[in-house]
Amino acid sequence: DIRMTQSPASLSASLGETVNIECLASEDIYSDLAWYQQKPGKSPQLLIYNANSLQNGVPSRFSGSGSGTQYSLKINSLQSEDVATYFCQQYNNYPWTFGGGTKLELK
Amino acid sequence: EVQLQQSGPEVGRPGSSVKISCKASGYTFTDYVMNWVKQSPGQGLEWIGWIDPEYGSTDYAEKFKKKATLTADTSSNTAYIQLSSLTSEDTATYFCARSGYGSYLFDYWGQGVMVTVSS
Repeated sequence: DIRMTQSPASLSASLGETVNIECLASEDIYSDLAWYQQKPGKSPQLLIYNANSLQNGVPSRFSGSGSGTQYSLKINSLQSEDVATYFCQQYNNYPWTFGGGTKLELK
Repeated sequence: EVQLQQSGPEVGRPGSSVKISCKASGYTFTDYVMNWVKQSPGQGLEWIGWIDPEYGSTDYAEKFKKKATLTADTSSNTAYIQLSSLTSEDTATYFCARSGYGSYLFDYWGQGVMVTVSS
């Protein structure tokens, strides 16, 4: 199975700040990577797919980048509603696997 | 509006089985694949498997092949997951999540069902 390693595991940032979350795959996943946001007590929501494509309805302050084994999610101008746990997911090889999550809190 | 409405919380004894439902609305049920995802308490996400509701074909992650059984009823637009031989390791929240054919992205999710295994 492809192992997805996220860093950091938790993050504290201030309103208006820019945040970066990293995701490292154990092998090349050819940009078959998605990012999900899970707010407390809710189900995950798709933010980004194909490493850098924004899902319909997702604010443009979210962006994704990367290739090969290294990927990142960037949140510009952090808002209070962005407090959540973020997960990366690879869909290049069965079984689809997720990162362990990054919990984002407000400072 | 696409909605995936899951059944309520379940408590199962060790060694027993539970069956969770996921009722789809707002789209053509047979036009999409239904996936199931496990989230253990305070943990990350694990993909369990998918079912094609139109043909009943399924695929499972190796880890869940003896644990989970996926079915679907096209007459009621409902997908099901049955978890068997319950152990404490099965205590978790289980989500259904839709994806398109040939797309492995989970674009809509159910609200999740908490399964607690307790004697």
